Amino acid sequence: DIRLTQSPSSLSASVGDRVTFTCRASQNIRNNLNWYQHKPGKAPRLLIYAASSLQSGVPSRFSGSGTGADFTLTITSLQREDGAIYYCQQSFSRNTFGQGSKLEIK
Amino acid sequence: QLHLQESGPGLMKPSETLSLTCTVSGGSISNSSDSWVWIRQSPGKAMEWIGNVFSSGSTYYNPSLKSRVTMSVDTSKNQFSLNLKSLTAADTAIYYCAREGGGSTPVTYFDSWGQGTLVTVSS
Repeated sequence: DIRLTQSPSSLSASVGDRVTFTCRASQNIRNNLNWYQHKPGKAPRLLIYAASSLQSGVPSRFSGSGTGADFTLTITSLQREDGAIYYCQQSFSRNTFGQGSKLEIK
Repeated sequence: QLHLQESGPGLMKPSETLSLTCTVSGGSISNSSDSWVWIRQSPGKAMEWIGNVFSSGSTYYNPSLKSRVTMSVDTSKNQFSLNLKSLTAADTAIYYCAREGGGSTPVTYFDSWGQGTLVTVSS
């Protein structure tokens, strides 16, 4: 199976900050990489698909980039409601997920 | 806006068979371009894809669970289901149902999810 390694595992930032999460795949997955936001007790939410395409209804402060094996999710102008766990997921071969990056808003 | 809701027992005993249902509202489960999936997350572990079922009834399972998994779809009720047999404590997890779509891209993704249901396997 393709392993996805996310970093950092947790991060604390303030409203208005810019934060970046990384996701590294164990092999080339082209652009078959998606990002999700998950708040406890709620349904996970698709943010970015195909590495860099913004899902409909998602604020433009979220952006994704990368191809091959290295990907990033960036949140600019952080809002309080962005506190959540962020997961990457690959759909290149037998869907797998990263372990997640927890974002705390100070 | 598509809404998915999982239902099923919260507590199971080892060796039993788990049956979960996902009810879809706000859209038809019969859309041939989509498939319907189950995903789970055990405590402290990454999410794990369990498998897909299409409105035609075709299925595709995670090889690591294939011997114990059966998924089906009931288009008349706009529901799809998961059966997982021979449960052990390792199957304790939050189980999510979701839709896998791809729109106009060749990349697939899970664009609608349920809130998840906790299943505990304990004697």
